[in-house]
Order: sequence, then structure tokens, then C-alpha cells
Amino acid sequence: AQKITQTQPGMFVQEKEAVTLDCTYDTSDPSYGLFWYKQPSSGEMIFLIYQGSYDQQNATEGRYSLNFQKARKSANLVISASQLGDSAMYFCAMREGGSNDYKLSFGAGTTVTVRA
Amino acid sequence: GAGVSQSPSNKVTEKGKDVELRCDPISGHTALYWYRQRLGQGLEFLIYFQGNSAPDKSGLPSDRFSAERTGESVSTLTIQRTQQEDSAVYLCASSLRLAGSDTQYFGPGTRLTVL
Repeated sequence: AQKITQTQPGMFVQEKEAVTLDCTYDTSDPSYGLFWYKQPSSGEMIFLIYQGSYDQQNATEGRYSLNFQKARKSANLVISASQLGDSAMYFCAMREGGSNDYKLSFGAGTTVTVRA
Repeated sequence: GAGVSQSPSNKVTEKGKDVELRCDPISGHTALYWYRQRLGQGLEFLIYFQGNSAPDKSGLPSDRFSAERTGESVSTLTIQRTQQEDSAVYLCASSLRLAGSDTQYFGPGTRLTVL
């Protein structure tokens, strides 16, 4: 079974608008971490934001915020005030606890295109 | 260096040849990871090093794949007798392995093309 599901293969957003990227996850482990990475056309994976399963508040980092709904097992990324430089592929990833608490499981990604 | 570096950035090889991909982690990062990314897909975990020990090699696709690491420094991923299905971007990451977020920081990747 897929551990991370990203259902939006591609999205278009107007510059200066907000965009929400969906991510649902599947784990029975009570301790886990959720990550979002950005991959521009250059190929490098850039860390954006992290949410721990026990964190009480939604994570925020500048224009990025994570809408964490634990009961629904969703961890959507919100990018506010989109910029042309936000055009990239975005990946949601999870690290579970226990003996495998090092490997990241990635979703298939969502391509975001910001229009001027 | 400031970030994870990988070399070469691009590698084109003929089917059946061996290739070596190199990763230089962030200085002080004890953990190192290799992932593979096929075109248009997410990343697949290959192998994890803690220091120069590899507790988990479960993601290596076949015995043609091997990796080693020198201390807490450079790692080399070797693919023997390359096949066309090995064509992908190979990404390396490193982390401090601290409790909590333990963020993995990635290098720019090596794009491997097997003709």
C-alpha cells in the first residue's frame, strides 16, 4: 500500500494567489514526521517544512504552512502569495518511527506552475 | 562544503558497463542516504549509512548495486553491468540523526543514462 498519496499531478496558480497541495499518508505508527520538499527543474530537492505527529500546532515557514489534520491523515502544504520562482515539483514525504526511523517514503509529487 | 555535493552531475554509459557515483555529505552529518528517482516519479530509498556502517540495504534493487562509505565522509554507489532500467537520477542526502525532525538535506543528484 502507498504510504504517501499525492492526488494532484499538476496545478496552475496565478501569481500572488495561494495554492494548496494535497497529501495523505498511511501509517499505524503513532510517532512519525511529515516533510515537504521542492524540486525545481534543476533537480535539487529543497527542504521546505516539517511536521511531527505530536506537534500541537501546524508548522509554518515563511510563505509555507502545513495544514495537519491528524484524524484524516492529511498534511496539505499551503503556499501563500505565489511567486514565479515557486514553479516546481513538490513532494510530500513521511518518516515513520521505530526501527525504520531514518528512511523517507515519498509521494509521486505535484507539479506547480505559477502564471504571471 | 556548504551542502551535499554529488559527482558526476551527468553520466552516460553503455549497457553492461560499471559506473560509480560519488556523494560528499554535509560536514558533520553522520547519516547518509541514497535514493533513486525515475523520470516523473517520487524517490525510492536505496540504502542508509550511519557512519560507515550500512544497517539497511533493503532498497538496493539487485546485487549489481553496492555502496560504501569512508568513515563519516564520502560515499560511493556502484552499479555493475548497467541495464537500461537503471537510467534514473540518483540522489544522495545526509542528516545529523538527531531526535525530532532529523531533516535530510539532498544533493543535486547524478543523472544516469544507460544506452
